[in-house]
Amino acid sequence: DAGVTQSPTHLIKTRGQQVTLRCSPKSGHDTVSWYQQALGQGPQFIFQYYEEEERQRGNFPDRFSGHQFPNYSSELNVNALLLGDSALYLCASSLKRRSGTGDEQFFGPGTRLTVL
Amino acid sequence: GENVEQHPSTLSVQEGDSAVIKCTYSDSASNYFPWYKQELGKRPQLIIDIRSNVGEKKDQRIAVTLNKTAKHFSLHITETQPEDSAVYFCAAPRGGYTDKLIFGTGTRLQVFP
Repeated sequence: DAGVTQSPTHLIKTRGQQVTLRCSPKSGHDTVSWYQQALGQGPQFIFQYYEEEERQRGNFPDRFSGHQFPNYSSELNVNALLLGDSALYLCASSLKRRSGTGDEQFFGPGTRLTVL
Repeated sequence: GENVEQHPSTLSVQEGDSAVIKCTYSDSASNYFPWYKQELGKRPQLIIDIRSNVGEKKDQRIAVTLNKTAKHFSLHITETQPEDSAVYFCAAPRGGYTDKLIFGTGTRLQVFP
């Protein structure tokens, strides 16, 4: 039973560039949420994908976008990178209940993004 | 807006002592409260959670209590061990959705042998 996986593990980019991060959810899960964790802080919710659509979104600009594929895996794209985008990007997977609320979230190992 | 406050930011205890971390939340609709442990350079791992229909939940040396009236919940670790040293985060759901979480600022727990 594979857990949540993310790639790449580390990434170095320069300001203005674009980046794509990838996430594969835990087996049996259908929902992927993305979080940004700056050094010394708690994870901040970016957005969530379910049924290949973006659901709720946190306080992040539209430079942050994503996608979910039919196999439930997801990508996070960040355009026009800023120094302040340097962080650990975590994805978390869960299974939506019929009520629409999710079950507990399991996190991937994260992608460490450094913007120079 | 929705907010989760966590205290203390750092906590040092002697091995065998107890540790308590407290969180408050603002959204009265919140009904699910997980606690995550994050070791240095690793992913957050769910260690215990509680739903709003109970006031306390225990799992071996770890317990969580919830006071919905006061909108606060606490993590209790008894008989602490050096391997309990990590950063602990509380969280509460955004808009009642248990899979969209607002995290506290974290508590760095150090357990000295």
